[in-house]
Parts: sequence; C-alpha cells; structure tokens
Amino acid sequence: AQTVTQSQPEMSVQEAETVTLSCTYDTSESDYYLFWYKQPPSRQMILVIRQEAYKQQNATENRFSVNFQKAAKSFSLKISDSQLGDAAMYFCAYRRSGNAGKSTFGDGTTLTVKP
Amino acid sequence: DAMVIQNPRYQVTQFGKPVTLSCSQTLNHNVMYWYQQKSSQAPKLLFHYYDKDFNNEADTPDNFQSRRPNTSFCFLDIRSPGLGDAAMYLCATSSPGTGNTEAFFGQGTRLTVV
Repeated sequence: AQTVTQSQPEMSVQEAETVTLSCTYDTSESDYYLFWYKQPPSRQMILVIRQEAYKQQNATENRFSVNFQKAAKSFSLKISDSQLGDAAMYFCAYRRSGNAGKSTFGDGTTLTVKP
Repeated sequence: DAMVIQNPRYQVTQFGKPVTLSCSQTLNHNVMYWYQQKSSQAPKLLFHYYDKDFNNEADTPDNFQSRRPNTSFCFLDIRSPGLGDAAMYLCATSSPGTGNTEAFFGQGTRLTVV
C-alpha cells in the first residue's frame, strides 16, 4: 500500500521569506501523480500544485514550486515570498495512475505566517 | 462558477439518529468521493463512486452508506451516528479520464453528535 509521510506537523515562516515543506512517499509504481493541497481554517481544500511522475521538470505555480526527487521518493513544496494568506494546513497527496482518482494523503503540515 | 457544494455546512445530530449529508457538483465529473477528516488529521477516504459503480474502502464501517442517484448528486448516510463519528465530512470530485487528475473539494460538512 502507498504511504505518504509529512514529517513536519508545524512550520512557521516570516512574511516575505521562503519556506519548504517536506513530503516523502512509498510506492512500487512508476506512473503516478503527486499533489500539494492547501486547507485554510474553516475553508475548502484547494489544489496548490501538481506533479506528474513521468515529468522530470519540477512543477511551478507562481510563488509555489516543488522539488521532485523520484528516486528518493521525495516531493517538497517551496513557498517563496510568503504571504499572510498562505497560512493553512498543507497536505501532500499521492495518486496512482489509473486508480480512479483515489488519493492517499499525508497527515498535513500546519503553516503559520508571521507578520 | 462550476463547483462542489455541500449541504449543510454544519450538522448537529443526536446519538443514534440517522443523518444524511449531501453533495452536489456542477463539474460533470464522473467520480465522487466522501472523506472523513478528524481534527488536524489527513482526510480518510470512506468510499467513492466511479459513475454508478460504488467502491467501498475495506475499513469503512457498515454504519456509513452512500447513494448517487445521478451524476450531480451524492449522499452520505450515517445510520446510527456515534460520538466517534463527529468529524468534518468532505465531498470531492474528479474526472481522471479527461486529464483532471486532482480532486475538487467542497467546503465540507462539520458533523457534531450530541
């Protein structure tokens, strides 16, 4: 079974600084997807960024980028120029290709942004 | 805007009294999921529908049932809620066949059992 591990239950960052959230996963599959989702307090979970395992290039979305290390099964999220609105719980998720979209989530990292 | 809508946002039910949570979507996605999320924990998949095909997770208690009368709607029925069922329930959709690999979530229903 696939597992996703987020080793940092809580992280904090100063506004305008950069922070990296860690995620590792375990799988025997070669074709899969990885995601970072953001869940602000009392608000819905939204997708931050997505990485296809077959792509070597790291995904980027504005201030958000990932460091995808397939051999090491590592998928970290870097948030640059942190903003107060980035404060949320961040979940790393794995989905095997062709698996009807069933995702396995990590336990989450709560990010605090200090003004 | 196309979206996933869950009603109600907050639900209080009595111990042992059946309760139904609803989810609707305007995305026309063929897959719909129900997750249970307890405080500061990862969402736990209860079951999902791939079109009309129901797929139950092995560790989902029998107390939890689901119905999907059409593409747009999906319901979560808790037959006899216990105190341990108090949680946030998240509905999500996806359409893997069209390249939408991620899940789109509703705002959730927070269930309190008294």
